[in-house]
Amino acid sequence: DAGVIQSPRHEVTEMGQEVTLRCKPISGHDYLFWYRQTMMRGLELLIYFNNNVPIDDSGMPEDRFSAKMPNASFSTLKIQPSEPRDSAVYFCASRNRDSEAFFGQGTRLTVV
Amino acid sequence: DQQVKQNSPSLSVQEGRISILNCDYTNSMFDYFLWYKKYPAEGPTFLISISSIKDKNEDGRFTVFLNKSAKHLSLHIVPSQPGDSAVYFCAAMTTNFGNEKLTFGTGTRLTIIP
Repeated sequence: DAGVIQSPRHEVTEMGQEVTLRCKPISGHDYLFWYRQTMMRGLELLIYFNNNVPIDDSGMPEDRFSAKMPNASFSTLKIQPSEPRDSAVYFCASRNRDSEAFFGQGTRLTVV
Repeated sequence: DQQVKQNSPSLSVQEGRISILNCDYTNSMFDYFLWYKKYPAEGPTFLISISSIKDKNEDGRFTVFLNKSAKHLSLHIVPSQPGDSAVYFCAAMTTNFGNEKLTFGTGTRLTIIP
């Protein structure tokens, strides 16, 4: 397996624009997590899914953030409209119930 | 409210010596703990874990110690090598079904000095 695949690796966008981050989890994993890495808060959980169903979205900072998992092999994290304070590295991770979480390489988002 | 805390943002250790990274947690429901290692421009990778029924787990040069009464865990690396230079994240979770999220600390940047 190629591991967790995220795209794009880097995204630079203007304030107010819509941003969509994509994730393909490891095949067979039934949990998918979206994290954001910042200096102040480290790795902050935004939302996680179990069997494509959102379980806990309490970490989503505002209504501008939304996430979907239409099937077992794809998830998106959308920010609309984006703001400069959203600039961070966003990670997707997946795992089975009895395994550790495997992370993608991340998407570095810069909002100018 | 930071439930997992890594109070040392950085640590420098001489090559060959022991590196000790510390982590504290506040949630008594946590019963499984993990350490992840992160290199620049890469995602975190799993290093070692420990269940709350143990107080020590060893894997080669890496040992994790858990002190439940103090809500404290530590990662020991011995001997430290230059390739160990990275950011280390402590993480915790409960294994109760329905609450399987991993909560991470803010990380400690370890630098091994040749």
